[in-house]
Amino acid sequence: SQTIHQWPATLVQPVGSPLSLECTVEGTSNPNLYWYRQAAGRGLQLLFYSVGIGQISSEVPQNLSASRPQDRQFILSSKKLLLSDSGFYLCAWGTSGGLGEQYFGPGTRLTVT
Amino acid sequence: QKEVEQDPGPLSVPEGAIVSLNCTYSNSAFQYFMWYRQYSRKGPELLMYTYSSGNKEDGRFTAQVDKSSKYISLFIRDSQPSDSATYLCAMSRGSNYKLTFGKGTLLTVNP
Repeated sequence: SQTIHQWPATLVQPVGSPLSLECTVEGTSNPNLYWYRQAAGRGLQLLFYSVGIGQISSEVPQNLSASRPQDRQFILSSKKLLLSDSGFYLCAWGTSGGLGEQYFGPGTRLTVT
Repeated sequence: QKEVEQDPGPLSVPEGAIVSLNCTYSNSAFQYFMWYRQYSRKGPELLMYTYSSGNKEDGRFTAQVDKSSKYISLFIRDSQPSDSATYLCAMSRGSNYKLTFGKGTLLTVNP
């Protein structure tokens, strides 16, 4: 069966510090990978998605970037965090031949102080 | 007009009640429909998905899609306190397209 991992689970970082969140998927090959941010009362916002190694599409221009160095690894980064980067970050995976359904990880709660 | 509209609630019901959660959408290109359950401070969990009009049942849960009205529903029978969560609808045009989510409905089932 497939499993998706995210770490860390929680993170408190000062403004201006760098960020690296990691997501890995087990039990599947060549998944589509996604990063979302969920802010209170604002729903799920798609940040980046990837259909293969090194292929990243950005949905919202912002202070963040994503990379996919390996087939089942997806990394979300920032060089300098802003207060507005606080939120609940979710990684998800999906299959390229399915209905478009996605499976989410446990999330990382980021607080920028 | 937003692509997907979902009443945020909150919705509070007594244990054992039948719960109806709904979403409307405007894009007729959506073909696949999903419901996710999200407990507080956890990632969303895929509950049900369907790609055709009509009903799909799974235990106490029934997903209903009416493409002619652009309306989808999730029914929960014999609701339990453990069903207390936020329920998000989601839809897509297919596997190579992004999911579009509703903002979620917060449900509380009181014992």
